[in-house]
Amino acid sequence: GIQVEQSPPDLILQEGANSTLRCNFSDSVNNLQWFHQNPWGQLINLFYIPSGTKQNGRLSATTVATERYSLLYISSSQTTDSGVYFCAVPSVDSSYKLIFGSGTRLLVRP
Amino acid sequence: ETGVTQTPRHLVMGMTNKKSLKCEQHLGHNAMYWYKQSAKKPLELMFVYSLEERVENNSVPSRFSPECPNSSHLFLHLHTLQPEDSALYLCASSHDTSGNTIYFGEGSWLTVV
Repeated sequence: GIQVEQSPPDLILQEGANSTLRCNFSDSVNNLQWFHQNPWGQLINLFYIPSGTKQNGRLSATTVATERYSLLYISSSQTTDSGVYFCAVPSVDSSYKLIFGSGTRLLVRP
Repeated sequence: ETGVTQTPRHLVMGMTNKKSLKCEQHLGHNAMYWYKQSAKKPLELMFVYSLEERVENNSVPSRFSPECPNSSHLFLHLHTLQPEDSALYLCASSHDTSGNTIYFGEGSWLTVV
């Protein structure tokens, strides 16, 4: 099945710093979603981004489907950005079956 | 607030107990999902319902029994669980099963003792 790899696995930032998270996937996909899981467990959908670039406030994402990767940019990080960031792509056989990466755990220090 | 509400948020149950997790979505979606998140493992899809019909049972043991009485509500009935079933159980919904944006609830933290 499709493999999803995220890097780095862990990241510590000082408040105000910028960062880039990466998601590589092993097969062609027709969509990709980025999520943020807060310390209480809730997963918030950040982007639905099959290709191109989208921006939402301090966050932006770029997916280059032909090269099988996506990037999540966090600018001017805040302590509330801490948590785990996941990317997910649909499996080859079922569009509703999302395959999640192992996540990037981010800690933003004040 | 994502429009998907789960109760209870925390549950501790013995291995002989029977309990249920409840999920309600207020988004008018037609597809609902149960995911399991164990420590140090990626999220695993358990069940998928589309218009109240189960379309996916991802090799889940029968001690987990889903129920979808209507397109807004989803239950996960639990009985004779094992300690290794302790995990975060996440409910989610999407417009349909064609790969739309998916919205998750806050999760139910389950501990089996």
